[in-house]
Amino acid sequence: GQNIDQPTEMTATEGAIVQINCTYQTSGFNGLFWYQQHAGEAPTFLSYNVLDGLEEKGRFSSFLSRSKGYSYLLLKELQMKDSASYLCAVKYGGATNKLIFGTGTLLAVQP
Amino acid sequence: KAGVTQTPRYLIKTRGQQVTLSCSPISGHRSVSWYQQTPGQGLQFLFEYFSETQRNKGNFPGRFSGRQFSNSRSEMNVSTLELGDSALYLCASRLQGAQGEAFFGQGTRLTVV
Repeated sequence: GQNIDQPTEMTATEGAIVQINCTYQTSGFNGLFWYQQHAGEAPTFLSYNVLDGLEEKGRFSSFLSRSKGYSYLLLKELQMKDSASYLCAVKYGGATNKLIFGTGTLLAVQP
Repeated sequence: KAGVTQTPRYLIKTRGQQVTLSCSPISGHRSVSWYQQTPGQGLQFLFEYFSETQRNKGNFPGRFSGRQFSNSRSEMNVSTLELGDSALYLCASRLQGAQGEAFFGQGTRLTVV
Protein backbone atom coordinates (compact mmCIF):
# COMPACT_ATOMS: atom_id res chain seq x y z
CA GLY A 1 0.00 0.00 0.00
CA GLN A 2 0.89 3.68 -0.04
CA ASN A 3 0.09 4.67 3.53
CA ILE A 4 0.66 8.26 4.52
CA ASP A 5 1.02 8.66 8.28
CA GLN A 6 0.64 11.85 10.25
CA PRO A 7 -0.51 12.58 13.81
CA THR A 8 -4.26 12.89 14.28
CA GLU A 9 -4.27 15.93 16.52
CA MET A 10 -1.87 18.53 17.89
CA THR A 11 -2.25 21.49 20.21
CA ALA A 12 -0.02 24.54 20.34
CA THR A 13 0.02 28.03 21.81
CA GLU A 14 -0.39 31.29 19.96
CA GLY A 15 3.00 32.72 19.00
CA ALA A 16 4.77 29.37 19.29
CA ILE A 17 6.25 27.05 16.67
CA VAL A 18 4.74 23.68 15.76
CA GLN A 19 6.07 20.86 13.57
CA ILE A 20 3.70 18.41 11.90
CA ASN A 21 5.37 15.23 10.68
CA CYS A 22 4.43 13.02 7.78
CA THR A 23 5.90 9.67 6.76
CA TYR A 24 5.23 7.85 3.52
CA GLN A 25 6.35 4.87 1.50
CA THR A 26 9.19 5.85 -0.79
CA SER A 27 8.68 3.53 -3.75
CA GLY A 28 7.47 5.53 -6.77
CA PHE A 29 7.58 8.85 -4.92
CA ASN A 30 7.16 11.86 -7.19
CA GLY A 31 6.40 14.83 -4.94
CA LEU A 32 4.82 15.78 -1.63
CA PHE A 33 2.22 18.45 -0.94
CA TRP A 34 0.91 20.09 2.20
CA TYR A 35 -2.60 21.50 2.26
CA GLN A 36 -4.51 23.44 4.91
CA GLN A 37 -8.20 22.83 5.38
CA HIS A 38 -10.44 24.87 7.66
CA ALA A 39 -13.65 23.23 8.79
CA GLY A 40 -16.27 23.29 6.05
CA GLU A 41 -13.88 24.69 3.46
CA ALA A 42 -11.82 23.40 0.55
CA PRO A 43 -8.19 22.39 1.06
CA THR A 44 -5.79 25.17 0.10
CA PHE A 45 -2.23 24.64 -1.07
CA LEU A 46 0.63 25.41 1.32
CA SER A 47 3.77 23.84 -0.09
CA TYR A 48 5.31 21.39 -2.52
CA ASN A 49 8.56 19.40 -2.14
CA VAL A 50 10.09 17.07 -4.69
CA LEU A 51 13.78 17.46 -3.81
CA ASP A 52 15.42 17.04 -0.41
CA GLY A 53 15.64 20.07 1.79
CA LEU A 54 13.67 22.93 3.23
CA GLU A 55 11.23 25.14 1.36
CA GLU A 56 10.35 28.34 3.18
CA LYS A 57 7.32 30.47 2.49
CA GLY A 58 6.64 33.14 5.06
CA ARG A 59 5.62 31.64 8.38
CA PHE A 60 5.35 28.18 6.84
CA SER A 61 8.22 25.88 5.88
CA SER A 62 8.25 22.32 4.62
CA PHE A 63 11.08 19.81 4.72
CA LEU A 64 11.60 16.63 2.74
CA SER A 65 13.94 13.65 3.09
CA ARG A 66 13.29 11.29 0.20
CA SER A 67 15.58 8.54 1.49
CA LYS A 68 13.76 8.48 4.84
CA GLY A 69 10.26 8.89 3.41
CA TYR A 70 9.76 11.82 5.76
CA SER A 71 8.46 15.34 5.61
CA TYR A 72 7.44 17.96 8.10
CA LEU A 73 5.50 21.20 7.99
CA LEU A 74 6.78 23.90 10.30
CA LEU A 75 4.47 26.71 11.34
CA LYS A 76 6.06 29.69 13.10
CA GLU A 77 4.52 32.56 15.07
CA LEU A 78 1.27 30.66 15.35
CA GLN A 79 -1.93 32.60 15.06
CA MET A 80 -5.44 31.59 16.08
CA LYS A 81 -6.44 31.45 12.42
CA ASP A 82 -3.90 28.64 11.92
CA SER A 83 -6.30 26.30 13.72
CA ALA A 84 -7.17 23.89 10.92
CA SER A 85 -6.51 20.46 9.54
CA TYR A 86 -3.17 20.00 7.77
CA LEU A 87 -3.08 17.39 5.05
CA CYS A 88 0.02 15.65 3.75
CA ALA A 89 -0.36 14.26 0.22
CA VAL A 90 2.04 12.29 -1.96
CA LYS A 91 2.13 11.93 -5.71
CA TYR A 92 3.29 8.55 -6.90
CA GLY A 93 4.27 7.51 -10.38
CA GLY A 94 4.59 9.52 -13.56
CA ALA A 95 1.76 10.50 -15.84
CA THR A 96 -0.87 11.00 -13.20
CA ASN A 97 -2.08 13.76 -10.94
CA LYS A 98 -3.43 11.29 -8.38
CA LEU A 99 -2.60 12.26 -4.81
CA ILE A 100 -2.59 9.93 -1.83
CA PHE A 101 -3.61 11.83 1.28
CA GLY A 102 -2.94 11.20 4.92
CA THR A 103 -5.95 11.50 7.21
CA GLY A 104 -4.82 14.95 8.28
CA THR A 105 -3.57 16.55 11.47
CA LEU A 106 -6.07 18.70 13.32
CA LEU A 107 -4.15 21.59 14.88
CA ALA A 108 -5.71 23.59 17.69
CA VAL A 109 -4.02 26.89 18.50
CA GLN A 110 -4.77 28.10 22.01
CA PRO A 111 -4.39 31.63 23.41
CA LYS B 1 -9.63 34.27 -12.55
CA ALA B 2 -12.42 32.04 -11.32
CA GLY B 3 -11.56 29.06 -9.15
CA VAL B 4 -12.85 25.52 -9.30
CA THR B 5 -16.64 25.50 -9.16
CA GLN B 6 -18.64 22.57 -7.87
CA THR B 7 -22.40 22.24 -7.97
CA PRO B 8 -24.51 21.69 -6.06
CA ARG B 9 -22.94 22.60 -2.70
CA TYR B 10 -25.34 20.48 -0.69
CA LEU B 11 -27.48 17.51 -1.61
CA ILE B 12 -29.75 15.14 0.28
CA LYS B 13 -30.70 11.87 -1.37
CA THR B 14 -32.44 8.66 -0.37
CA ARG B 15 -30.85 5.23 -0.40
CA GLY B 16 -31.13 3.60 -3.78
CA GLN B 17 -31.27 6.86 -5.72
CA GLN B 18 -28.55 8.09 -8.02
CA VAL B 19 -26.78 11.45 -8.03
CA THR B 20 -24.71 13.52 -10.44
CA LEU B 21 -22.18 16.08 -9.25
CA SER B 22 -20.56 18.71 -11.45
CA CYS B 23 -17.14 20.32 -11.47
CA SER B 24 -15.91 23.20 -13.62
CA PRO B 25 -12.11 23.49 -13.45
CA ILE B 26 -10.07 26.65 -13.59
CA SER B 27 -9.93 27.98 -17.13
CA GLY B 28 -7.09 26.32 -19.02
CA HIS B 29 -6.81 23.38 -16.62
CA ARG B 30 -7.39 20.11 -18.40
CA SER B 31 -6.78 17.70 -15.54
CA VAL B 32 -9.63 17.06 -13.11
CA SER B 33 -9.51 14.70 -10.15
CA TRP B 34 -12.26 13.68 -7.76
CA TYR B 35 -11.89 12.81 -4.08
CA GLN B 36 -14.22 11.58 -1.39
CA GLN B 37 -13.67 12.99 2.09
CA THR B 38 -15.12 11.36 5.21
CA PRO B 39 -14.15 11.94 8.85
CA GLY B 40 -12.71 8.48 9.32
CA GLN B 41 -10.95 7.96 6.00
CA GLY B 42 -9.76 11.42 5.03
CA LEU B 43 -9.50 12.25 1.33
CA GLN B 44 -9.63 9.22 -0.92
CA PHE B 45 -8.95 9.35 -4.63
CA LEU B 46 -11.88 8.46 -6.87
CA PHE B 47 -10.69 9.13 -10.41
CA GLU B 48 -8.75 11.46 -12.64
CA TYR B 49 -9.63 12.77 -16.09
CA PHE B 50 -7.52 14.44 -18.70
CA SER B 51 -8.70 15.41 -22.16
CA GLU B 52 -11.96 13.50 -21.73
CA THR B 53 -10.12 10.28 -20.82
CA GLN B 54 -10.04 8.59 -17.45
CA ARG B 55 -6.37 8.32 -16.61
CA ASN B 56 -6.56 6.74 -13.17
CA LYS B 57 -9.17 5.20 -10.92
CA GLY B 58 -9.24 4.62 -7.16
CA ASN B 59 -10.56 1.63 -5.26
CA PHE B 60 -14.24 2.40 -5.37
CA PRO B 61 -17.07 0.16 -6.59
CA GLY B 62 -18.45 0.45 -10.10
CA ARG B 63 -21.40 2.48 -8.75
CA PHE B 64 -19.02 5.43 -8.89
CA SER B 65 -18.39 6.72 -12.39
CA GLY B 66 -17.37 9.92 -14.06
CA ARG B 67 -16.72 11.65 -17.30
CA GLN B 68 -15.12 14.76 -18.70
CA PHE B 69 -16.39 16.94 -21.49
CA SER B 70 -14.49 18.71 -24.25
CA ASN B 71 -14.57 21.97 -22.26
CA SER B 72 -12.84 20.12 -19.37
CA ARG B 73 -15.91 20.24 -17.15
CA SER B 74 -16.38 16.96 -15.32
CA GLU B 75 -19.25 15.09 -13.75
CA MET B 76 -19.28 12.20 -11.37
CA ASN B 77 -22.22 9.88 -10.86
CA VAL B 78 -23.05 7.58 -7.99
CA SER B 79 -25.80 5.06 -8.58
CA THR B 80 -27.76 3.01 -6.05
CA LEU B 81 -26.74 5.28 -3.19
CA GLU B 82 -25.84 3.77 0.17
CA LEU B 83 -25.72 5.44 3.57
CA GLY B 84 -21.94 5.12 3.53
CA ASP B 85 -21.72 7.32 0.46
CA SER B 86 -22.49 10.33 2.64
CA ALA B 87 -19.38 12.47 2.33
CA LEU B 88 -17.85 15.64 1.01
CA TYR B 89 -16.94 15.16 -2.65
CA LEU B 90 -14.09 17.36 -3.76
CA CYS B 91 -12.92 18.15 -7.24
CA ALA B 92 -9.40 19.39 -8.01
CA SER B 93 -8.03 20.86 -11.21
CA ARG B 94 -4.48 21.17 -12.34
CA LEU B 95 -2.44 22.31 -15.31
CA GLN B 96 -1.22 19.27 -17.14
CA GLY B 97 2.47 18.69 -16.61
CA ALA B 98 2.71 21.33 -13.91
CA GLN B 99 4.68 20.38 -10.84
CA GLY B 100 2.57 22.71 -8.80
CA GLU B 101 -0.50 22.30 -6.77
CA ALA B 102 -3.96 21.01 -7.45
CA PHE B 103 -6.67 23.59 -6.81
CA PHE B 104 -9.71 22.32 -4.97
CA GLY B 105 -13.32 23.36 -5.27
CA GLN B 106 -15.54 23.94 -2.24
CA GLY B 107 -16.99 20.48 -2.60
CA THR B 108 -20.45 18.97 -2.65
CA ARG B 109 -21.75 17.75 0.69
CA LEU B 110 -23.83 14.65 -0.04
CA THR B 111 -26.08 13.21 2.64
CA VAL B 112 -27.79 9.89 2.00
CA VAL B 113 -30.75 9.15 4.24
